[in-house]
Order: sequence, then structure tokens, then C-alpha cells
Amino acid sequence: DAGVIQSPRHEVTEMGQEVTLRCKPISGHDYLFWYRQTMMRGLELLIYFNNNVPIDDSGMPEDRFSAKMPNASFSTLKIQPSEPRDSAVYFCASSYRLNPDNEQYFGPGTRLTVT
Amino acid sequence: AQKVTQAQTEISVVEKEDVTLDCVYETRDTTYYLFWYKQPPSGELVFLIRRNSFDEQNEISGRYSWNFQKSTSSFNFTITASQVVDSAVYFCALETNAGKSTFGDGTTLTVKP
Repeated sequence: DAGVIQSPRHEVTEMGQEVTLRCKPISGHDYLFWYRQTMMRGLELLIYFNNNVPIDDSGMPEDRFSAKMPNASFSTLKIQPSEPRDSAVYFCASSYRLNPDNEQYFGPGTRLTVT
Repeated sequence: AQKVTQAQTEISVVEKEDVTLDCVYETRDTTYYLFWYKQPPSGELVFLIRRNSFDEQNEISGRYSWNFQKSTSSFNFTITASQVVDSAVYFCALETNAGKSTFGDGTTLTVKP
């Protein structure tokens, strides 16, 4: 398996632009997580899905952020409009709940820079 | 609410020294899972171990060992005979039975040759 795939790996955009981050989880996994990592705030869980349904989005910072999972193999995290403080590395992770280790497999991350 | 505290922001040791990374957690849940992840300089997050709240048995995997004590809400991680390749940021995390994860702020370990 290719692991969790995220695109793009790097994104540079100007303040006010819409940004869409993409994630393809590992096939067969039933949980998908979006995280944001910054120096100031560390690793924060933004939202997670179970079987494509959003379970907890309390970590989403504000209405400018939205996430969707239209099917089991694809999820997006959208920021509209983007702001410089959104600059961070965004990780997507997936897991299979019934796996005894239940580990989350992380993608390589998308490094977002908003100027 | 749940919380994970990694009090050690940075640790520096010399190769072959043993080092323990501390993790203290807070949760009201009776069923939960504890994890350790490693983030090397390349940036990816690598799973190291998972423990559920009903399994306090300590575990050893090669040079790595973990000490889980519910009485003190701690899940500490020890690297024996550290190596330069162990240099990374190490995260402790708590996951509820519903799947919600909370990560500590991480401990940056530097192993000098």
C-alpha cells in the first residue's frame, strides 16, 4: 500500500485566496483525521471522520475552515479565505479501528505558507 | 476535557546514555488509548506504541521501553543506549474510545555523538 497520500506537498498562496488540501487514506481504513502543526500550538486535531461522517470538528479554528469526505478514499480540507496565521503543516492520518494497534498512519503533510 | 503534558521541552544527551521522556495525561474517560509517536527531522510522524487503559503491562521493544502507571496517569518512554538516529521530536498522545486524539507538545531529543 502507498500509505496516506497528501497533495500538494507544498502550497504558497496569498492572503485571501482559497486553499484546498487533499488526502487519500489507506484503503480499508475507517477513520480519517486532519491535524495542523505549528511551532506555537504544536499538533492539533482539527476534525476526524468515521466511515466518511464527521464525528468531531471542535478543533476547526473558525468558519474559514471546512472539511469534507465525499467517499472512503478522499477527503479535503479547505480554507477560504486564507490568512497568514494559517501557515502550518497540515497532516492527514487514517486508521482502522479494529486493528489491535489502532495506530494512526500519517501522511507526509502539506506545508502551507500564506503570504 | 483531556490533556497531555510533556514537561520536558528539550533533552540533550550523549550517545549511549539512557534517556526517559515523561508523559502525564488527564482524562475522565475510563477507556482510552495512549500512544507515542516519533517525528524525525524529515517531518513524518512514525507510530511507536499504543497502550489501552486496561493494560498496564510495561513493554520493551529493543532499546525502547514504556512504563504505564495509571495511579500517576503517566506513560513514560525510555530509550536505552541512545543513538544519534534517535534524535527527533517525540509526541505522547491520548485517544478517547470515540477516536478523538490529543497530543502533547512534544519533547525534542538531541543525541550527540
